[in-house]
Amino acid sequence: GAVVSQHPSRVICKSGTSVKIECRSLDFQATTMFWYRQFPKQSLMLMATSNEGSKATYEQGVEKDKFLINHASLTLSTLTVTSAHPEDSSFYICSAKAYNEQFFGPGTRLTVL
Amino acid sequence: GQQLNQSPQSMFIQEGEDVSMNCTSSSIFNTWLWYKQDPGEGPVLLIALYKAGELTSNGRLTAQFGITRKDSFLNISASIPSDVGIYFCAGQDSGAGSYQLTFGKGTKLSVIP
Repeated sequence: GAVVSQHPSRVICKSGTSVKIECRSLDFQATTMFWYRQFPKQSLMLMATSNEGSKATYEQGVEKDKFLINHASLTLSTLTVTSAHPEDSSFYICSAKAYNEQFFGPGTRLTVL
Repeated sequence: GQQLNQSPQSMFIQEGEDVSMNCTSSSIFNTWLWYKQDPGEGPVLLIALYKAGELTSNGRLTAQFGITRKDSFLNISASIPSDVGIYFCAGQDSGAGSYQLTFGKGTKLSVIP
């Protein structure tokens, strides 16, 4: 149980385009999901906390207009990287909270050319 | 903000050897967690510690929650090749119901057969 999926697993896009990443809790409902970014050989850095039915809470230094988060249902949160630039290339990982624990997705590798 | 110092940054060991890594924090956490991350994957929870002084085992893994609540260690006994990966400690702050995680910088483990 407590499986989290992400789609797509990897995406390559041109600079200036927008990319949507989906995070789904497959066998449980999650009122809270978290989005992390991980640069090569770095740790996971929390970007934002996504709460179902309300606005996301962004960490300091994360632009909310650039990283749009929508948590429209109890099993789905989406992260949209708007007007992506090469410096946005990273590994994006989501997690879903259940039973006071976070269950992580497999990550999405974004490469912006 | 909260910072976690994880050491060592990397280690090379012979198969069969024991491994020890630790994390220290500048502030108190209510929960300490240890994760393993394989390349291109999300982190997978190994051990969760909920009480100061708690010592918990999971197979060949043993972890302890420091008395001061500002540190934790992870031991792996009799290492095997599949132990290779990056190990992260994480402190969880359950204050105000946020359950946010702060990650250490990781310990990259290489096991020589």
